[in-house]
Order: sequence, then C-alpha cells, then structure tokens
Amino acid sequence: GQNIDQPTEMTATEGAIVQINCTYQTSGFNGLFWYQQHAGEAPTFLSYNVLDGLEEKGRFSSFLSRSKGYSYLLLKELQMKDSASYLCAVRSNQGGKLIFGQGTELSVKP
Amino acid sequence: DGGITQSPKYLFRKEGQNVTLSCEQNLNHDAMYWYRQDPGQGLRLIYYSQIVNDFQKGDIAEGYSVSREKKESFPLTVTSAQKNPTAFYLCASSNSTRYGYTFGSGTRLTVV
Repeated sequence: GQNIDQPTEMTATEGAIVQINCTYQTSGFNGLFWYQQHAGEAPTFLSYNVLDGLEEKGRFSSFLSRSKGYSYLLLKELQMKDSASYLCAVRSNQGGKLIFGQGTELSVKP
Repeated sequence: DGGITQSPKYLFRKEGQNVTLSCEQNLNHDAMYWYRQDPGQGLRLIYYSQIVNDFQKGDIAEGYSVSREKKESFPLTVTSAQKNPTAFYLCASSNSTRYGYTFGSGTRLTVV
C-alpha cells in the first residue's frame, strides 16, 4: 500500500521556527516534494529531496531520510503570510505521478 | 508567459448532468495530471497522461473520463456516474524530475 502521513494542524508564533513532519510508505521512491497552498489557490513548489540530507533555501529547509521513510519541512522566522497548508508528496516510479499527504494546516499567530 | 490554465474557476452542475473542465498548458510539458481535493483529504489522483493519445487511471477514476488529443490540452469530464462530484479540481503538468508539477489555478465544482 501507499501511505503518507503528516499532522493535520499546527500553530506557531510569528518570528518562531516550526517543523512539519512527514512519514511515508510507498511502492517505489523517486523523490519527495513539499508544496505550499493558500486557501482556494493552487499549490506552489517549495522544495525537492531525492538524496538523504538537508536542502536549504532561504527561510525554508527540507530534510530527508530514505531509510526511515521520513522528511520534515523547517520554516524559520515565521511570518503571517506563512499561514497556509503544507503538502508532502512522494514521486513514485510509475509515470512520475505524485502521491500526496493530506496536508498540514499551519496557523501563524501574532 | 508560459503557464497552465484551468477554466472555469467556478462551475455549478445539476445532478445527472455531465460537465467538462478545461486544462490547457503552453509549457511544452509531456505529462499532465488531474487531481481532486476535498477538505482534509489532500490531493487524490483521478487520471494522468504521459504522452498524446495515451492516459491512465489514477486512484479515483470512476465517474470521470479524459482525452489527450493534443499535447497542450487535457480536459476532464465529470459524468453523472460520479456520486459526489463537489470538490476542488486541480490540473498539473510536468516535464522535470526536480520541480515536480506546475499547477493550474483550479476549478471549484458544485452540484446543485
């Protein structure tokens, strides 16, 4: 079977750091993606990991451990505009399609 | 500018009617995808196409149909056989391993 788990909701304070975890069990693995989605809008690409380790891009970092089936997205210096849903997705070996988790709704409070 | 366009943004359908959602891309991407998004359930794959004149069923294809007659276009028809069609529908395209998908802005379908 294929399963991707992430917390449903998280709350954090403006200026703080938050870590959103994602665990996966999939038949085949060809990379893990994180997307940001504001309500009613299309998801936008944040990060991509295919090898173990940390990828850093400005205030956003993403980590992958393939042996543990685990990834996290780290958001630093949180801003109000970071309030959104964060989607974890795994690329399968079949047709390049992405399998999505249910998304984590992040609320940033003043 | 290159991009992927979905239309209409909002669509209302009466029960028993078929309706077609449009998806057009000018990115020269080979692969295109249709997802459905319901609250709290993330994105679920309906159909995908890796090349013109070929497509495969995703996880929830029942009650839907697609065609891929041109590289740029991948319309989705929601048929009367789809029992619960009210949802947010997202079309995406891809030609790159590293950047995943480019998404359209979505169509919100409501059955009235």
